[in-house]
Amino acid sequence: DAKTTQPNSMESNEEEPVHLPCNHSTISGTDYIHWYRQLPSQGPEYVIHGLTSNVNNRMASLAIAEDRKSSTLILHRATLRDAAVYYCILVYSGGGADGLTFGKGTHLIIQP
Amino acid sequence: KAGVTQTPRYLIKTRGQQVTLSCSPISGHRSVSWYQQTPGQGLQFLFEYFSETQRNKGNFPGRFSGRQFSNSRSEMNVSTLELGDSALYLCASSSQPRGARNGYTFGSGTRLTVV
Repeated sequence: DAKTTQPNSMESNEEEPVHLPCNHSTISGTDYIHWYRQLPSQGPEYVIHGLTSNVNNRMASLAIAEDRKSSTLILHRATLRDAAVYYCILVYSGGGADGLTFGKGTHLIIQP
Repeated sequence: KAGVTQTPRYLIKTRGQQVTLSCSPISGHRSVSWYQQTPGQGLQFLFEYFSETQRNKGNFPGRFSGRQFSNSRSEMNVSTLELGDSALYLCASSSQPRGARNGYTFGSGTRLTVV
């Protein structure tokens, strides 16, 4: 799987928007961009995913650059419960099954 | 809709023993994958099963094995436990291999401590 680069940590204030960046310059045309987050003492939780177009769901929005070499996860109004490690992962949609390759992710800190 | 269920939640074993962990995927999901999470190595892929067949395996020794049953439930086994096997073991399910088009749902994990 192609690699992603994320900042180690980010800090934001409660009730403000948060933009979490991810660089994936070696992305291929068949790679989906997935975001997961992991709260303390829990398993990872699926957040959102996309291929080429921007995506919205009840949890977040995913903005994908036109060249697909970067993306941004947007939390529109952060709460203390959004404090977690956020992982940006590229998932090959072709044949075979290699599992998700997790990097170190971004540790998001939310200040009250 | 029930989520991914892993049992047991916590386990303490002695070096040299073997252990079996269980995972029940979301109803209708046929893909089950396993991950090991440690503070030093982070989340690492162990293996993935789809329709009772192992599709791929991560870089772990042969002491780590798994299987999937016809009802999609999966078990993983670790034999001859070592202290370094202490970790959070996570199971994830998806409706198709790799979950590229619809993502994975993870369980809460089994915390294994080897003493």
